[in-house]
Amino acid sequence: EAAVTQSPRNKVAVTGGKVTLSCNQTNNHNNMYWYRQDTGHGLRLIHYSYGAGSTEKGDIPDGYKASRPSQENFSLILELATPSQTSVYFCASGDAADFYEQYFGPGTRLTVL
Amino acid sequence: AQKVTQTQTSISVMEKTTVTMDCVYETQDSSYFLFWYKQTASGEIVFLIRQDSYKKENATVGHYSLNFQKPKSSIGLIITATQIEDSAVYFCAMREGITGNTGKLIFGLGTTLQVQP
Repeated sequence: EAAVTQSPRNKVAVTGGKVTLSCNQTNNHNNMYWYRQDTGHGLRLIHYSYGAGSTEKGDIPDGYKASRPSQENFSLILELATPSQTSVYFCASGDAADFYEQYFGPGTRLTVL
Repeated sequence: AQKVTQTQTSISVMEKTTVTMDCVYETQDSSYFLFWYKQTASGEIVFLIRQDSYKKENATVGHYSLNFQKPKSSIGLIITATQIEDSAVYFCAMREGITGNTGKLIFGLGTTLQVQP
């Protein structure tokens, strides 16, 4: 019963195409996060959310949008995908009750050709 | 500016020994929280242990413990009686109290641990 799930797990997209990465959590956490992980850069925060209806820019938001339609779901949207967005994307959830310890999904490997 | 640095890129140890992974951080905040995460070969990222800056006692969970040296802005992860399954990448992370309810973490670049049989 994984608490944070992501779909798809792997995605190949074409340059200029639209990509949506989905994340679902059953932790009932208020906060959710999207990161990308690249060799030499570690985990970098793209967008985050405090709760349904809210999205905030992280450290590297350019080229990405986010959507939080419900407590459980948080999506990352690439309107016009570029090869530089080829990466592994992780979703995480966290909450004050857990001291904001973040719990991660399994990751999505995105390749933009 | 806040920063987390892991100077050890990789470490190799023999099974059943003890290993320490280093992490130093920079913050202007008087209240902060430090975390260690493990990323397995499959890519899964798992929370391991947390240290609150206002606590003097080092946190311990199972065979993981921390060496918190506040004057040195250092938080080392100690793994005792290492097992093959401990082979992974270990990330240090920090959350500053001033970030409020964002819960934002700053991550180091990670240390790769290889446990040899």
